[in-house]
Amino acid sequence: DAKTTQPNSMESNEEEPVHLPCNHSTISGTDYIHWYRQLPSQGPEYVIHGLTSNVNNRMASLAIAEDRKSSTLILHRATLRDAAVYYCILNLAIQGAQKLVFGQGTRLTINP
Amino acid sequence: GAVVSQHPSWVICKSGTSVKIECRSLDFQATTMFWYRQFPKQSLMLMATSNEGSKATYEQGVEKDKFLINHASLTLSTLTVTSAHPEDSSFYICSARRRGQPPYNEQFFGPGTRLTVL
Repeated sequence: DAKTTQPNSMESNEEEPVHLPCNHSTISGTDYIHWYRQLPSQGPEYVIHGLTSNVNNRMASLAIAEDRKSSTLILHRATLRDAAVYYCILNLAIQGAQKLVFGQGTRLTINP
Repeated sequence: GAVVSQHPSWVICKSGTSVKIECRSLDFQATTMFWYRQFPKQSLMLMATSNEGSKATYEQGVEKDKFLINHASLTLSTLTVTSAHPEDSSFYICSARRRGQPPYNEQFFGPGTRLTVL
């Protein structure tokens, strides 16, 4: 199965941009790149997803490398509420079903 | 829109008893629901995929007779942990895929159910 690799933890300051990297060197042509985040004792929350082109939404931006072997989630102006574990996930088509396989994620700490 | 609820939010039970956890899509129909388990300081592990009106598909290593999944309607899936033991204590999370949306679109997650088996 295609897997993702993320740093275990990152730290940033409030109101500064945050760039969260993800490597997925074995991605296949039909795998979508998804990002979710999880606050303590809560279910994951969808952040953004993309296939080849960069994507923007109200929460974040997703920059996808041209060879699709890596991507970066960009939080343009971090707030304390953005402190969470961020998961970069490939939405895999396995045996006709689409499912999310979570890796270990990056624990993001935001300093006031 | 796209809210998923779980009930109960937490449950404590004695070893050997069975516990049922409900997952509901409140404002949309869900053709597919997923059940995950998460141990402390670990990532989510997919347990099974359930499609409305059909049997669930379990991931390798997950005992289907121990974790019974029923997806009787487009808005409700249940997970029953049978004969629970302390090692089943975990955070159980469901997610749902909205009917009519492409399969690569986002899943909507419930808030989770904390199960503690004494």
